[in-house]
Amino acid sequence: AQKITQTQPGMFVQEKEAVTLDCTYDTSDPSYGLFWYKQPSSGEMIFLIYQGSYDQQNATEGRYSLNFQKARKSANLVISASQLGDSAMYFCAMREGTKAAGNKLTFGGGTRVLVKP
Amino acid sequence: GAVVSQHPSWVICKSGTSVKIECRSLDFQATTMFWYRQFPKQSLMLMATSNEGSKATYEQGVEKDKFLINHASLTLSTLTVTSAHPEDSSFYICSAVGPLAGEYNEQFFGPGTRLTVL
Repeated sequence: AQKITQTQPGMFVQEKEAVTLDCTYDTSDPSYGLFWYKQPSSGEMIFLIYQGSYDQQNATEGRYSLNFQKARKSANLVISASQLGDSAMYFCAMREGTKAAGNKLTFGGGTRVLVKP
Repeated sequence: GAVVSQHPSWVICKSGTSVKIECRSLDFQATTMFWYRQFPKQSLMLMATSNEGSKATYEQGVEKDKFLINHASLTLSTLTVTSAHPEDSSFYICSAVGPLAGEYNEQFFGPGTRLTVL
């Protein structure tokens, strides 16, 4: 079974509008972390936002927010006020276990976002 | 955030030759480094995890004799693709984590190396 599922292979969004990228995960470990990374065409992976399994509040970081629904095992990324520079590939990833150095990340298949002017 | 560099950014080589890719953490000590492979329009596939001073742990299906990983210091890991063949052509990305880098112990990624084997 897939541990991280991103069901939207690609999306268009109008500039200045918000977009939600879906991510569902599967784990039996009570302690885990969820990450979102952005990969522009240059190839570099840019860390956007993190949500820990025990965090009580949804994570926010500037225009990025995470809609964390633990019971449904979903961690959707919301990008508000989209900008042309947001056009990129977005990956959801999970780290199982505690926040200790060395834990692996499992990545979803990614969602390509194209922001239209 | 913390900075990770990779060198070279791209390389073209002939079939049968070996290629070395370097991954450096520039402003933090990386206790663990990871090597990924990414095919066009696909996700990242973890190849191996390397800890400074110890042997790398390879993922299932990754040939350790073909993809040699050395993590000689807390700031440098190298991936050597030995006897490269066209099917090894891919985008290789490294990442690093360290105890003093990143609030969430997140992995910091290098810019990647595009390998083309002719």
